[in-house]
Amino acid sequence: DGGITQSPKYLFRKEGQNVTLSCEQNLNHDAMYWYRQDPGQGLRLIYYSQIVNDFQKGDIAEGYSVSREKKESFPLTVTSAQKNPTAFYLCASSPSDRTYEQYFGPGTRLTVT
Amino acid sequence: AQSVSQHNHHVILSEAASLELGCNYSYGGTVNLFWYVQYPGQHLQLLLKYFSGDPLVKGIKGFEAEFIKSKFSFNLRKPSVQWSDTAEYFCAVRPPGTYKYIFGTGTRLKVLA
Repeated sequence: DGGITQSPKYLFRKEGQNVTLSCEQNLNHDAMYWYRQDPGQGLRLIYYSQIVNDFQKGDIAEGYSVSREKKESFPLTVTSAQKNPTAFYLCASSPSDRTYEQYFGPGTRLTVT
Repeated sequence: AQSVSQHNHHVILSEAASLELGCNYSYGGTVNLFWYVQYPGQHLQLLLKYFSGDPLVKGIKGFEAEFIKSKFSFNLRKPSVQWSDTAEYFCAVRPPGTYKYIFGTGTRLKVLA
């Protein structure tokens, strides 16, 4: 089946540790995105990538890092510098054609204590 | 600042009532507009989209939305809601010349049986 996979579904970490969230897509989409979803705040863009080996900061990139070494993969690292990392993280992808929508993964809920 | 606004944060309706959820954006030029729905425990999925042509767009599950350029609005409507429409609804805009999708803060709809 074509789609976006995110793993794991739930992730627990201690404060001060970096953690990497996985996102893989087999839709052959050029663009990939990471969002953070918090209650009452909607989806806020962390990073996005239009093409392999290129990515741009979104609105809340501080404390996060990404890489795009392969078209199918766009992992997100939540670093210890992120002040409030506990959240629901969503990965999405889309074709280059702007008439197309984004496709979303199931999300990863990260809890940092 | 450029943004997407959803005015209703929580809406409670009885089954068979009519629904209208507001969405306004502040981007100029040609934008692409989307409504997504997130049912409890499920992925975000597309309800409908507008990129050109007829400003009245029909989507899945009986939803429709009207693009009014002069009002920078893209309101979502459904003539008669069902209990199964209980979900969170997000308006999104893809501004011109960018790969970014900007989301509103979402509207939680609860339909009472």
